This record gives sequence, C-alpha cells and structure tokens, in this order.
Amino acid sequence: QKEVEQDPGPLSVPEGAIVSLNCTYSNSAFQYFMWYRQYSRKGPELLMYTYSSGNKEDGRFTAQVDKSSKYISLFIRDSQPSDSATYLCAMRKGAQKLVFGQGTRLTINP
Amino acid sequence: GAVVSQHPSRVICKSGTSVKIECRSLDFQATTMFWYRQFPKQSLMLMATSNEGSKATYEQGVEKDKFLINHASLTLSTLTVTSAHPEDSSFYICSASVGTIKGSGNTIYFGEGSWLTVV
Repeated sequence: QKEVEQDPGPLSVPEGAIVSLNCTYSNSAFQYFMWYRQYSRKGPELLMYTYSSGNKEDGRFTAQVDKSSKYISLFIRDSQPSDSATYLCAMRKGAQKLVFGQGTRLTINP
Repeated sequence: GAVVSQHPSRVICKSGTSVKIECRSLDFQATTMFWYRQFPKQSLMLMATSNEGSKATYEQGVEKDKFLINHASLTLSTLTVTSAHPEDSSFYICSASVGTIKGSGNTIYFGEGSWLTVV
C-alpha cells in the first residue's frame, strides 16, 4: 500500500462545475499538507498549504484536511479551462521529504 | 510565494558527455533543496536531498556517482548528470524548503524544471 493514494483520473468536467480532488494517506505523523498544480512540461506550482486539520480558502480554491480520517481534499469552484492540469497532493512530517500522490489529470471543457 | 529558478530549462547533449543543471532560491535562503525526476504522465520521483555544506542524501536506487549534487551556498544547488546516456533523458525538477518566510512553515516550492535530452 502506498503512503499516499490519489486517483490518477483522468477527470473531465464542464466549465463552471465544482471540482473535488482527494487523497488518502496512511501515515498519521504527516503534519503539512499541500496541493500543487502542474501544467504540462512545467514544474509544480504550489496552490494551497495547510498545517494539521482544518479548512483553508483562497479564491476559488478550498483545501480541507481531516486527520482523523487521513483524508485531504481540494475543491475548485467555478472551474475554468485554465484549471486544466495535473493536481498533486503532497504531505510531510516536519522537515522530512515530501510524499506525493500520483496526481490527478483534470480537464475543464469549455 | 517564494521563487525557485532552474537553469537551463532545456538541454540537449551527446551521449557520454556531462551536463549541469542549476537550482537557485531567488528570495530566500534554502538550507535544503531536493532533486526530482519525472517521467511522462507520472508523479515526481525524489532522487536526492541536498543540504548546504554537506553531502547529499540519495534515495535508494539512485547512483550518486552518476548524479552529482553540490549545494555550495544557501541559494544554489547543482545537479550534474555525468556520462549521460539516452535513458537519462527526462524532466528534472528541483525544489527548496522554505523555513525563513513567515507563515510558510515547511512549504516546498519548485523550480520550472529542466528537460534533458541525450542523443
């Protein structure tokens, strides 16, 4: 079993839809949770960063962490074609290395 | 957010030669940098952790003599692919751990990546 599980998709939704992306993990020691967006042939771009459990909102993006369930989510409201990318969840304990999910390929159709 | 610059963005080299990729933290000091390799449609594979002023820590299966990492300053780490072969062709990405920017905790920022093609 992988430490971090993420459905690779692909996920295709119409423009304007609410997108829900999720990851589950097995290591209860993880403290820092991040979501990255990666466009084709580019480096990952940090979207959201959350420490421990809770919600965090930034514009159209909302990140949720439920440590009791070992489950994190990223919601994208009013999705746009420019949101089409691969979304990677990542987490770490302290200063240890990041552990990534497989990444979900998302396409927003105009 | 913090900026990590990677250079070159693309490089083509002949088989048997060596190529160096630079990773710089532009607006913060990074005591730790990470080097990843990514194959098409796959997630990032950590190759090594680079600590300023000390030897890099390599992941299992990564040849340290082939992928030389130097982290000589708090803003620069380099990856040198020695005696490159076509199978080394890949997307190499560096990242830096931000510990000195308020509110960033242990956030990690990535460079834009470097495409290496060995012919």
